[in-house]
Amino acid sequence: AQSVTQLGSHVSVSEGALVLLRCNYSSSVPPYLFWYVQYPNQGLQLLLKYTSAATLVKGINGFEAEFKKSETSFHLTKPSAHMSDAAEYFCAVSGLTGNQFYFGTGTSLTVIP
Amino acid sequence: NAGVTQTPKFQVLKTGQSMTLQCAQDMNHEYMSWYRQDPGMGLRLIHYSVGAGITDQGEVPNGYNVSRSTTEDFPLRLLSAAPSQTSVYFCASSPQGLALDTQYFGPGTRLTVL
Repeated sequence: AQSVTQLGSHVSVSEGALVLLRCNYSSSVPPYLFWYVQYPNQGLQLLLKYTSAATLVKGINGFEAEFKKSETSFHLTKPSAHMSDAAEYFCAVSGLTGNQFYFGTGTSLTVIP
Repeated sequence: NAGVTQTPKFQVLKTGQSMTLQCAQDMNHEYMSWYRQDPGMGLRLIHYSVGAGITDQGEVPNGYNVSRSTTEDFPLRLLSAAPSQTSVYFCASSPQGLALDTQYFGPGTRLTVL
């Protein structure tokens, strides 16, 4: 089965600092990859997705992620953290059949003023 | 558009009780799915539907039933609740398949089974 691994269940950054959230996937073929964000007591919303087009994907709120096949990685970055970025972030991958979906365990981002 | 709605927001059950979690969407999406979210485990797919009358199992289907009689509704049934089913449940919908398309999530139902 497809899977994703998120390194670091908790990440803290200072306001204005670089945000880097790590995600590695396991797949024998290039998958479809996603980052979702969950704000406290809310459902998830899509940040960005990779579907085999450009390897650098830009999403909402200034986030971007780069698909690196050689490293089987899809790390999420943002140049300058804002207080409003504090949330839980989930990397996800679709199954080979197209109708299965696997989330990582999530990374909680804290932004320190 | 209301998007994806879920009821109830909170529910407490006793072991062995049954209940139905409701999910509705008004975006005319063909695909709908149910996830459970547990601490340290992310979200796991329970069941999904690719259209009215068609459902299939996800990663953790045991203990749950679904049906899809209309495009709009996708209820999740717990026939005999167990403490292991204590979780937050999210319903989601998408215009196309899970692989390609954005999923739109409801606000969740927090279920506690005593």
